[in-house]
Amino acid sequence: EVQLVESGGGLVQPGRSLRLSCAASGFTLDDYAMHWVRQAPGKGLEWVSGISWNSGRIAYADSVKGRFTISRDNAKNSLYLQMNSLRAEDTALYYCAKDRFGEFIVCPDYWGQGTLVTVSS
Amino acid sequence: DIQMTQSPSSLSASVGDRVTITCQASQDISNYLNWYQQKPGKAPNLLIYDASNLETGVPSRFSGSGSGTDFTFTISSLQPEDSATYYCQQYDNLPLTFGGGTKVEIK
Repeated sequence: EVQLVESGGGLVQPGRSLRLSCAASGFTLDDYAMHWVRQAPGKGLEWVSGISWNSGRIAYADSVKGRFTISRDNAKNSLYLQMNSLRAEDTALYYCAKDRFGEFIVCPDYWGQGTLVTVSS
Repeated sequence: DIQMTQSPSSLSASVGDRVTITCQASQDISNYLNWYQQKPGKAPNLLIYDASNLETGVPSRFSGSGSGTDFTFTISSLQPEDSATYYCQQYDNLPLTFGGGTKVEIK
C-alpha cells in the first residue's frame, strides 16, 4: 500500500525558513516523479513543485520560484521541500504526492495527508 | 500559465441525479487532464486521468470526456458518498494548474 507521510510543518515568522519532509513507503520511490501541492485554508489546490525520478527534471510554480527548493533522496525514500523567505501567503496545508510516471511531472495520483505551514508574526 | 475554469463552483443535487461539471482550458491541452475528488479534511483522490480514463478502483458512475479546451466530468447517478469538491488539473504544460473546484452537495 502506498503511504506518504509529511512532516516539518509548523508556525514560522515571515522571512524565516522551514524544511518539509515526506517519507514514502509501499512503492519504489526512484521509479516515480514526486510533487508538492498546497491548499490554503478554505481554498483550492495549488501545485507548488515537482521532481522527476532522478532529479533530472525540476519545476516550480511562479509563486515560489527562487524561494523554494525541492529535492529527493531515493536511498532514504524521502522527498523534501526547503522553503525560504516565507510569506503570509505561503500559509497552507502542504501535500506530498506521487506521480503516475517517473520521467515526467504530470499526474499526482497518491497523496499524503499533508502538513500545515502557518506563516505569521 | 494555462488557466483552468471550472463551472459551476457549487451545485446541489438529489441522490440518483446525473451531475455534470465542466472545465475549460485557456489553450489547447489535448487530453492532458485529470479529475480529482476531495472530501472534507481528506487528501485529493485521483478519479480520472487522460481526460477519460478511470483510475483503478473508481466506481463506473464517474466518467470524463473532452479534448482540446473543453472537458466534462459526469456522475451518472449521484450517491451520498459523492458529496465532495471536484477539481480538474491540466498537465499539458508546466506549471501544473488546477481548476477552482466544484463543491457537490446532496439535497
